[in-house]
Amino acid sequence: DGGITQSPKYLFRKEGQNVTLSCEQNLNHDAMYWYRQDPGQGLRLIYYSQIVNDFQKGDIAEGYSVSREKKESFPLTVTSAQKNPTAFYLCASSIGGEQGARETQYFGPGTRLLVL
Amino acid sequence: EDQVTQSPEALRLQEGESSSLNCSYTVSGLRGLFWYRQDPGKGPEFLFTLYSAGEEKEKERLKATLTKKESFLHITAPKPEDSATYLCAVESRTNAGKSTFGDGTTLTVKP
Repeated sequence: DGGITQSPKYLFRKEGQNVTLSCEQNLNHDAMYWYRQDPGQGLRLIYYSQIVNDFQKGDIAEGYSVSREKKESFPLTVTSAQKNPTAFYLCASSIGGEQGARETQYFGPGTRLLVL
Repeated sequence: EDQVTQSPEALRLQEGESSSLNCSYTVSGLRGLFWYRQDPGKGPEFLFTLYSAGEEKEKERLKATLTKKESFLHITAPKPEDSATYLCAVESRTNAGKSTFGDGTTLTVKP
């Protein structure tokens, strides 16, 4: 069964600690994305990658880092520089579609990050 | 800068009471407009992609339409299981490869 998995479901971070959120997809999609969602708000783009070994900053990249060493994996590290990390983090992937639009995105179940 | 505004923020309907959700957008060259459904604590689920003004798509009780400035998600005879947050997103030619999301409309359908 194809899909996107994220782990863990809940993650607790202590002050000054870096934590890494996992995202894996077996859909053979080229592009992958990380979003942050705060209560009552839409999704804000953190980082995205359109191909292996390449990624770009989104709108709120400060305090985050990513890598894309394999097509199926796109881990997100929340560093200690991110002062307000409490949020719901969503990973997504996309395929090329009609007219070349690539943004029909398929989402994982999310990771909720809480600060201790 | 691409912008997406969804209205209303929240909508409460009785079962069977049809209504519409609005998504107004400002982009430089629309590449695609997307509707998603999100249940509490879960990732968004893709519903529709619309590419050009005049286009319409349907799925069960939902119908999405698109003009040059806005999109509507029409819900016909909703059921309680249609309760969710509905998100709209756009991709523009100047920001190809990125989507800009609205804040969503939270729909509650009471039996």
